[in-house]
Amino acid sequence: GENVEQHPSTLSVQEGDSAVIKCTYSDSASNYFPWYKQELGKRPQLIIDIRSNVGEKKDQRIAVTLNKTAKHFSLHITETQPEDSAVYFCAAPPKADKLIFGTGTRLQVFP
Amino acid sequence: GAGVSQSPRYKVAKRGQDVALRCDPISGHVSLFWYQQALGQGPEFLTYFQNEAQLDKSGLPSDRFFAERPEGSVSTLKIQRTQKEDSAVYLCASSPVGIGARQPQHFGDGTRLSIL
Repeated sequence: GENVEQHPSTLSVQEGDSAVIKCTYSDSASNYFPWYKQELGKRPQLIIDIRSNVGEKKDQRIAVTLNKTAKHFSLHITETQPEDSAVYFCAAPPKADKLIFGTGTRLQVFP
Repeated sequence: GAGVSQSPRYKVAKRGQDVALRCDPISGHVSLFWYQQALGQGPEFLTYFQNEAQLDKSGLPSDRFFAERPEGSVSTLKIQRTQKEDSAVYLCASSPVGIGARQPQHFGDGTRLSIL
């Protein structure tokens, strides 16, 4: 069935270090892969997304890579800052009308 | 409006009561989604509208859950005879185009529902 696995579930890094979160999806029909950041008690916010015809996309300190053959995609945050601390969710749409989210990664950046 | 608006932000109800949650999507957005987010979990898909048509309701947990979007704008999620397990944050999201899930979705702040 449709499944998105996300690792790790928690991640602690020192300010300035890099953080990497990985997701694997099961349905090859997925062709759009967003990443959301959710702070405690707030709405999920789209931070970056990638389509299947692209292998990598960058936006300042954030990058996403996609390996369609292996069905996995990763979020990379460089030069982490305390305000990057939040829960991050990956997602994939096995169908045009349904987005399946990963289980989330709680990122803590220590000053 | 500037973003997706949901009301109420918090709702407390007694088990067995009916509740109605409202979502105002971004003006002009064609696609509207409802998700349920349990504590510590990712959002789980409930249902999807394209304009006023409900194209997918496969994620609704039971027939106690009902959603509508009669004029293709505001949507209401209704839960009848609420149970404790319905306690969660209910999120609404919208996107500007018809193939909704494969375009950026913009979320509201959600309604935190607590069933006593």
